Amino acid sequence: GENVEQHPSTLSVQEGDSAVIKCTYSDSASNYFPWYKQELGKRPQLIIDIRSNVGEKKDQRIAVTLNKTAKHFSLHITETQPEDSAVYFCAASIYHQFYFGTGTSLTVIP
Amino acid sequence: NAGVTQTPKFQVLKTGQSMTLQCAQDMNHNSMYWYRQDPGMGLRLIYYSASEGTTDKGEVPNGYNVSRLNKREFSLRLESAAPSQTSVYFCASSEGQGYSPLHFGNGTRLTVT
Repeated sequence: GENVEQHPSTLSVQEGDSAVIKCTYSDSASNYFPWYKQELGKRPQLIIDIRSNVGEKKDQRIAVTLNKTAKHFSLHITETQPEDSAVYFCAASIYHQFYFGTGTSLTVIP
Repeated sequence: NAGVTQTPKFQVLKTGQSMTLQCAQDMNHNSMYWYRQDPGMGLRLIYYSASEGTTDKGEVPNGYNVSRLNKREFSLRLESAAPSQTSVYFCASSEGQGYSPLHFGNGTRLTVT
């Protein structure tokens, strides 16, 4: 089955700085890559996603890049704010199944 | 729309007891999923149902059974609970076509003593 690795597991940044989270996947048939944000005690919520035929997608301060050849994709958050503090999960989707990374705990220091 | 609704929110079981976690979605989604979330291990797929009438095993199916009761409802059953099943359980649904994301319920925190 698909294997998704996510790094780093924890990340601390100063407010206003950028944060980057990286994921790799193993199965070249994976064709959809969503990112989820999970606040403490809450459910994961979709923040951005990218399809396999797209290299980059941006939504305000959040962007995702995909390199199909290298099988890796990254989440970029610019101008970080304290409310960005949460756990972020990447996922790869193949044949109705979604495989998740182990999460990155992001702390934005005011 | 309520989205994905899970019950109960919290449950404590003793080893060997059984229980069923209920999940319903009102988004007319085709696919439904059960995940468990443990510290440091992300979300792991237990079972999924790509469409009404079908169910398939995920990464960690041992000790669980599922029923896709109709298009809206997908239940997860623990026949004989074990301490290793202490976890937070999330139900999710998806349109199941093309590039459609998962929508999660609020989770069930299960403790097995």
